[in-house]
Amino acid sequence: QSALTQPPSASGSPGQSVTISCTGTSGDIGAYTYVTWYQQYPGKAPKLMIYDVNQRPSGVPDRFSGSKSGNTASLTVSGLQAEDEADYYCGSYAGGNNFVVFGGGTKLTVL
Amino acid sequence: EVQLLESGGGLIQPGRSLRLSCEASGFIFSSYAMSWVRQAPGKGLEWVSTVAASGTYTYYADSVKGRFTVSRDNSKNTLYLQMDRLRAEDTAVYYCAKYTGRGGFDSWGQGTLATVS
Repeated sequence: QSALTQPPSASGSPGQSVTISCTGTSGDIGAYTYVTWYQQYPGKAPKLMIYDVNQRPSGVPDRFSGSKSGNTASLTVSGLQAEDEADYYCGSYAGGNNFVVFGGGTKLTVL
Repeated sequence: EVQLLESGGGLIQPGRSLRLSCEASGFIFSSYAMSWVRQAPGKGLEWVSTVAASGTYTYYADSVKGRFTVSRDNSKNTLYLQMDRLRAEDTAVYYCAKYTGRGGFDSWGQGTLATVS
């Protein structure tokens, strides 16, 4: 049972936009602006795509964007491309003993 | 370029111990907190432990507290995870990750698989 709740799957056609949600609590997503999103291909290490809710590391396409409202964060992928098909995980700083919590992951399929 | 190279995984019996290592390069290792994140087969990510840049402060997930010990040797640019009293549920790929200080991990190793059986 992951601390953050994500839908298990999402899909969209090339060129479309898709949004993945990540629901936490007032103790993690709701309390801090330290939400992250990771992309993971099968058998590979995760890659940081979004940090601090809506910031992109150097090299991440601007098709990827993040937002937060209350206890829920979202990742939007615009202009879907075939290479965007991967698993996406959200994360949040939670402080105290929990430190960092993750969502269960969302498998994004490009139709 | 940041590089993190884990080693030490393998097949181990329940109740035994295993020590993972992570050699870092491409950045000033002694300036950054470092973490271990694991992923059980077919499952999601789970934060395991974080150690401050100096090594003074350590943090653990409840699931490993009292059994795992994180440490670092800044003179060798190496992070460690000592795993004692291993359980079947500790079976996972263990990733070494550079901690951003704001709840995120901006560089990851390729992972090392620890199988407890």
